[in-house]
Amino acid sequence: GENVEQHPSTLSVQEGDSAVIKCTYSDSASNYFPWYKQELGKRPQLIIDIRSNVGEKKDQRIAVTLNKTAKHFSLHITETQPEDSAVYFCAATPMKTSYDKVIFGPGTSLSVIP
Amino acid sequence: NAGVMQNPRHLVRRRGQEARLRCSPMKGHSHVYWYRQLPEEGLKFMVYLQKENIIDESGMPKERFSAEFPKEGPSILRIQQVVRGDSAAYFCASSPGVGRSNQPQHFGDGTRLSIL
Repeated sequence: GENVEQHPSTLSVQEGDSAVIKCTYSDSASNYFPWYKQELGKRPQLIIDIRSNVGEKKDQRIAVTLNKTAKHFSLHITETQPEDSAVYFCAATPMKTSYDKVIFGPGTSLSVIP
Repeated sequence: NAGVMQNPRHLVRRRGQEARLRCSPMKGHSHVYWYRQLPEEGLKFMVYLQKENIIDESGMPKERFSAEFPKEGPSILRIQQVVRGDSAAYFCASSPGVGRSNQPQHFGDGTRLSIL
């Protein structure tokens, strides 16, 4: 079955710097990759997603890149702010499933230092 | 347009009691997913349901845990004879389930279950 790995597990950056979180997946047929942000004590919230027919997607300070050949995808946050501090989860949906089940990575705890 | 609604937000049970967690999906969504999250850990998939049908329960413990999504009413995650190790946050998510596949899941606020 699908396996999603995520690195690093923790990340500290200075306010204004960039943060990059990387994920790898095992199922070459995976075709949908969402990213979720979870603040302490709150629900996971979708922040951006990308499909396998696209190599890059950007939404203001957040961008996601996908390398299908290498089976990895990354989240890039530029000009980080303290409110970006949270746990970020990547996920992948295997093509073989006919529904919207995702496999989550273990998460990255991002701390933005003012 | 209400999001995914979970109740209760907090639930306290004594060992051996039953816990019932409820989830109402977003309007127009027909797929429901349940996840368990231990403190400072990730989201562990438990079960995926459609109305009146369990599609994937590969993440559910074999004993004491069950889930349903009846034709009318919310989805229910039921834990019988709870033990201290069941203490966790339980999140429900929903997705449209129709039309184009691979639609994003939207999460509820979760139920924090504490076992005394």
